Amino acid sequence: SQTIHQWPATLVQPVGSPLSLECTVEGTSNPNLYWYRQAAGRGLQLLFYSVGIGQISSEVPQNLSASRPQDRQFILSSKKLLLSDSGFYLCAWSARGSSSYNEQFFGPGTRLTVL
Amino acid sequence: GIQVEQSPPDLILQEGANSTLRCNFSDSVNNLQWFHQNPWGQLINLFYIPSGTKQNGRLSATTVATERYSLLYISSSQTTDSGVYFCAVHLSGTYKYIFGTGTRLKVLA
Repeated sequence: SQTIHQWPATLVQPVGSPLSLECTVEGTSNPNLYWYRQAAGRGLQLLFYSVGIGQISSEVPQNLSASRPQDRQFILSSKKLLLSDSGFYLCAWSARGSSSYNEQFFGPGTRLTVL
Repeated sequence: GIQVEQSPPDLILQEGANSTLRCNFSDSVNNLQWFHQNPWGQLINLFYIPSGTKQNGRLSATTVATERYSLLYISSSQTTDSGVYFCAVHLSGTYKYIFGTGTRLKVLA
């Protein structure tokens, strides 16, 4: 069966420090991968998605970037964190190909606090 | 862009009560999912339901794509049903999913 991992689970970082959040998927190949952010008490905002190695689509101009160095690895980064980057970051995957496999599955999330 | 709105935004129920949550979307979509976000933040898949009706235990969902809405029914609610319920739609011709505004449910013992 498929499993999605995220780490770290929680992170407290000072303003201006760099960020690297990692997401890996097991048990599937060629997944579509997604990064979402959820502000406190709010809904989910799509940040980036990727349909293949090295391919990244950005949905919201911001202080963050994403990379996909391997088929089942998705990384969210920042060179200098802002207070507004605080939130709950969720990684998700869906199977690529037929539209009948569009169901999306989420990882456990990383709770980021920027002080 | 497409709008996905959920109602009611907040709901408080006594244990054992039934409820209906609604998701309205403003454009054609490929499919729709319902999620439950538990108090620890984990998003749990409830239904993948582009159209028709599905049931899973005390939960059931109906999507009427031609009228652009979906309903989630919770029967005999339990305290463990508390949390936030989201619908998410997959936009036709894209790889993108758009989440609704959420319904925060609290079930009292």
